[in-house]
Amino acid sequence: DTEVTQTPKHLVMGMTNKKSLKCEQHMGHRAMYWYKQKAKKPPELMFVYSYEKLSINESVPSRFSPECPNSSLLNLHLHALQPEDSALYLCASSQALGGSNEQFFGPGTRLTVL
Amino acid sequence: SQQGEEDPQALSIQEGENATMNCSYKTSINNLQWYRQNSGRGLVHLILIRSNEREKHSGRLRVTLDTSKKSSSLLITASRAADTASYFCATARAWSGANNLFFGTGTRLTVIP
Repeated sequence: DTEVTQTPKHLVMGMTNKKSLKCEQHMGHRAMYWYKQKAKKPPELMFVYSYEKLSINESVPSRFSPECPNSSLLNLHLHALQPEDSALYLCASSQALGGSNEQFFGPGTRLTVL
Repeated sequence: SQQGEEDPQALSIQEGENATMNCSYKTSINNLQWYRQNSGRGLVHLILIRSNEREKHSGRLRVTLDTSKKSSSLLITASRAADTASYFCATARAWSGANNLFFGTGTRLTVIP
């Protein structure tokens, strides 16, 4: 299985809502990533998890809260988001940190904040 | 900014023609990777070239890397309508212990049947 799956595909939420994005991979990868991508822009790294521990937080606002319950799952909890947070949220995984490892991306969750 | 620049921003060609995209970056790198993204979807890894390599081939793809100029190019030969997508270069930094990827601004390729 060489897939990274993400749910939901689309999410519309109000600024007072709490929601979660989910990502799953069964490739035995030990590094997982969250990216944010605005329209016609490149992906921007948000968080990196290595062996289920948060390795990198690229100065992301606290209204985004990542969680890695186990080596196959990665969640992104959303609370009190702003309309400018509307974007495509991409999850990716790779074999491990460092080295020359390609990243495998999920299809993304299209988030709209009203 | 660590982000790379790609040119052209958009490229439109006829099916069967070759497409060339260029990427420039700012910092020392471990490797440079090219990814493809169909509209609004996830990215697909195409090819990786290490900092000590100058050229690499994979099927219809040819990638070159010039570390002295901090630039790379992606050539797609004999293009097909299915190659229509956005193409991003991504660099992994030399001094970073983590597998951070910094993506270029992307080239939107349209192949006309």
